[in-house]
Amino acid sequence: EPEVTQTPSHQVTQMGQEVILRCVPISNHLYFYWYRQILGQKVEFLVSFYNNEISEKSEIFDDQFSVERPDGSNFTLKIRSTKLEDSAMYFCAVGGGQTEAFFGQGTRLTVV
Amino acid sequence: KNEVEQSPQNLTAQEGEFITINCSYSVGISALHWLQQHPGGGIVSLFMLSSGKKKHGRLIATINIQEKHSSLHITASHPRDSAVYICAVRSPPPLLGSGTYKYIFGTGTRLKVLA
Repeated sequence: EPEVTQTPSHQVTQMGQEVILRCVPISNHLYFYWYRQILGQKVEFLVSFYNNEISEKSEIFDDQFSVERPDGSNFTLKIRSTKLEDSAMYFCAVGGGQTEAFFGQGTRLTVV
Repeated sequence: KNEVEQSPQNLTAQEGEFITINCSYSVGISALHWLQQHPGGGIVSLFMLSSGKKKHGRLIATINIQEKHSSLHITASHPRDSAVYICAVRSPPPLLGSGTYKYIFGTGTRLKVLA
């Protein structure tokens, strides 16, 4: 069983709509990350989350993005008003610290 | 210049060949990951290294901290090894309580193994 599961696996949304991507870790983790990969490009860091707050974020992670752990388990990435250029594969990762990070299978977001 | 460089970018091999993928980095790190990304897009962590060498099945990963270089080797390659292999370096430990580790990814090496 994978250490972390992401839902949905694929989402198509209209430009301007809000989307919420979910990450569900199997066991308790303290560190959470979101990354994205635009088709044909390398994986880019978006944000890290530790102790229930954002620890670090990249320049990509602007006011359109937000993260939270609504129930202390799931970890979500919200994009408030999607743009065409938000189309990408979004990966959640958990763990880190002295242990390796585990990556989810990704959510492919397509904005039309 | 990318902080993490991989070579080659693309690699085609015949089944059974010994394969080497290289990763060089220019930043300080606390660990290095080798990841495998399948055509469907999902990422699987193969190794996390901070020194020396690790082996898992037909895969071997080495790292030279002084030279800021790591290699991933695949022995007796098989078509199912066809994937993109990504090197990702982890930042040094954050100051106590002030942050998390951050990963910087290479652009990946696209490997195709022919039967």
